[in-house]
Amino acid sequence: EDQVTQSPEALRLQEGESSSLNCSYTVSGLRGLFWYRQDPGKGPEFLFTLYSAGEEKEKERLKATLTKKESFLHITAPKPEDSATYLCAVQGGSQGNLIFGKGTKLSVKP
Amino acid sequence: DTAVSQTPKYLVTQMGNDKSIKCEQNLGHDTMYWYKQDSKKFLKIMFSYNNKELIINETVPNRFSPKSPDKAHLNLHINSLELGDSAVYFCASSLGQKGQPQHFGDGTRLSIL
Repeated sequence: EDQVTQSPEALRLQEGESSSLNCSYTVSGLRGLFWYRQDPGKGPEFLFTLYSAGEEKEKERLKATLTKKESFLHITAPKPEDSATYLCAVQGGSQGNLIFGKGTKLSVKP
Repeated sequence: DTAVSQTPKYLVTQMGNDKSIKCEQNLGHDTMYWYKQDSKKFLKIMFSYNNKELIINETVPNRFSPKSPDKAHLNLHINSLELGDSAVYFCASSLGQKGQPQHFGDGTRLSIL
C-alpha cells in the first residue's frame, strides 16, 4: 500500500535558522513526488515535482531533493512569511490520485 | 484570474439535508478531483474525473455523487448529510492523470449542525 510519512509534525524556527523537513514514502512505481504549501483557510499551493532519485528543484529559499525512499525540503534562512503547513504527496503507477502525508507545520519567528 | 474556484466557501446546514458544492477550473485541464480534509488536516482523495468520465472512486458513501457536465466543471452533491461529513472539501485539477501536479481550489468548509 502506498504510504507517506512526514516529520516533524511541527517545527519552530527563528528567522534565518535553516532546517529541513522530511518525507518518507513507499509507493509502487513512483510517477511523481509533490511538495505543496498550505496556508490557513487556503488550498494547497503547488511548489515542486520530483520524478527520480537524485533530482533536485529550487525556488527562492526552498530546495527539494529526492532519494528512493525519502524527500527533503530544505529551507535556507527562512522568513516569517515562510510559515505554513508543508505537504508531501506521492503518485504511484496504479492510479492518478495523490497520497498525502499529514504535513509539517512550520512557524518562523522574527 | 482564479484558476480553480469553488462555491460556496462555507456551508452550514442541518443533518439530513442535501447540498451541492460547485467547482470550476480555467486552466484548460482535463482531469478534476475531489478531496476531503478532515479535522486532523489529512487530505484524502474521493473522486477523479478525466474528460467527464469517472476514473477513481474511493470508498466513499454513495450519498456522495460527483457530476461533471464538461471538462471545466466538477460538482459534488451530497444527500442525507451526516455529522461525520463535516470537513473541508477541496477540488483540484491537472493536465493528464499521471505525473502532473494538481492545482487546488481554496476549499469548501462544510459544517453539519
